[in-house]
Amino acid sequence: GNSVTQMEGPVTLSEEAFLTINCTYTATGYPSLFWYVQYPGEGLQLLLKATKADDKGSNKGFEATYRKETTSFHLEKGSVQVSDSAVYFCALSDRAGGGADGLTFGKGTHLIIQP
Amino acid sequence: GAGVSQSPRYKVAKRGQDVALRCDPISGHVSLFWYQQALGQGPEFLTYFQNEAQLDKSGLPSDRFFAERPEGSVSTLKIQRTQQEDSAVYLCASSLGSGYLSEQYFGPGTRLTVT
Repeated sequence: GNSVTQMEGPVTLSEEAFLTINCTYTATGYPSLFWYVQYPGEGLQLLLKATKADDKGSNKGFEATYRKETTSFHLEKGSVQVSDSAVYFCALSDRAGGGADGLTFGKGTHLIIQP
Repeated sequence: GAGVSQSPRYKVAKRGQDVALRCDPISGHVSLFWYQQALGQGPEFLTYFQNEAQLDKSGLPSDRFFAERPEGSVSTLKIQRTQQEDSAVYLCASSLGSGYLSEQYFGPGTRLTVT
């Protein structure tokens, strides 16, 4: 079956540091890949997505590139801010390949940015 | 505009009781998803509706779980004879289209505690 593995948290960084949150996946087909973010007290929000190999998703200074050869979709940001503190979820959709209709999520990575 | 709303936000049930969780999707959204999120885990897909039709219920963990969306708008997730392992946050999401790339908008969730 499909699965998503992401690095364990919490990840604690200082403001303006470089961020990488690793995400790898297992899927039978060619999934679409997503990063969702959950800010304190709020619901899950889509951060960025990529639908095919070598696509780069980007939003709010965050980027992730769909790497089929390494089955990875690592999240990066060049200079984090305190306001980026949140829980980040990597997810995949295999609906196009006939998989389940819902998203498959990783366990989430809690990011803490200190001033 | 209004997002996805869920009620109640918190529910405490004694083991063996039945519970009903409500989801009000964004008006006009065709697709509706239910997920279960255990503590420290990512959301896990339960079931999917396209309008009033339940097209995928592959994630429902047992026959104690039942979902409906009779008029293609509001949905209810019902859990009969609750067990302690049902304790989790139940998330509802809706999307405008039925395609696999249609963005899912999540509600704040209902936290169910079974004592």
